[in-house]
Amino acid sequence: NAGVTQTPKFRILKIGQSMTLQCAQDMNHNYMYWYRQDPGMGLKLIYYSVGAGITDKGEVPNGYNVSRSTTEDFPLRLELAAPSQTSVYFCASSYPGSGELFFGEGSRLTVL
Amino acid sequence: KNEVEQSPQNLTAQEGEFITINCSYSVGISALHWLQQHPGGGIVSLFMLSSGKKKHGRLIATINIQEKHSSLHITASHPRDSAVYICAPADYGGSQGNLIFGKGTKLSVKP
Repeated sequence: NAGVTQTPKFRILKIGQSMTLQCAQDMNHNYMYWYRQDPGMGLKLIYYSVGAGITDKGEVPNGYNVSRSTTEDFPLRLELAAPSQTSVYFCASSYPGSGELFFGEGSRLTVL
Repeated sequence: KNEVEQSPQNLTAQEGEFITINCSYSVGISALHWLQQHPGGGIVSLFMLSSGKKKHGRLIATINIQEKHSSLHITASHPRDSAVYICAPADYGGSQGNLIFGKGTKLSVKP
């Protein structure tokens, strides 16, 4: 099993550009999450999904969009990149009831 | 006011020492996660517990729901334990997205 796979690992964007962070898991987990981690701060939830076709906002959703068309994939879209979105992004997944969270390796995004 | 407080923020230990990292939270929860973030950035789940104590190898996690406090202990610490340890209380009675993450405790174990 590959676990949770995130791409790309690094990306530099210009202000106003758009991009999609990809996340895929092969564990048949229902729950998937997108977090951002800023220096010296705890992880903040951007969006989450409890199953295909169902998504919901987390604590810091502004400037982002998600979709969940399949159980495996949970892409995060940045429409108009801003310097405030410079951060490390983590995708995670879990199975209901098990409690264990599985994280991707992270995607470091810089907006200049 | 931070809903999750971890202490200490930074910890340096000698190899072999017994380590304790504390986590206090102010919100009602149904479970709590302990995570380990490696120097390279990857995050691994260590424990999820809702009561009592769990042990995995040299790691022990305890929780007191009434006192809103959890501890992570590392016995016979080793340089490979050097990482950031993150506490994350969860309210699974509500939304599945309801994890609140502490800022982490940075542990450095010297040989």
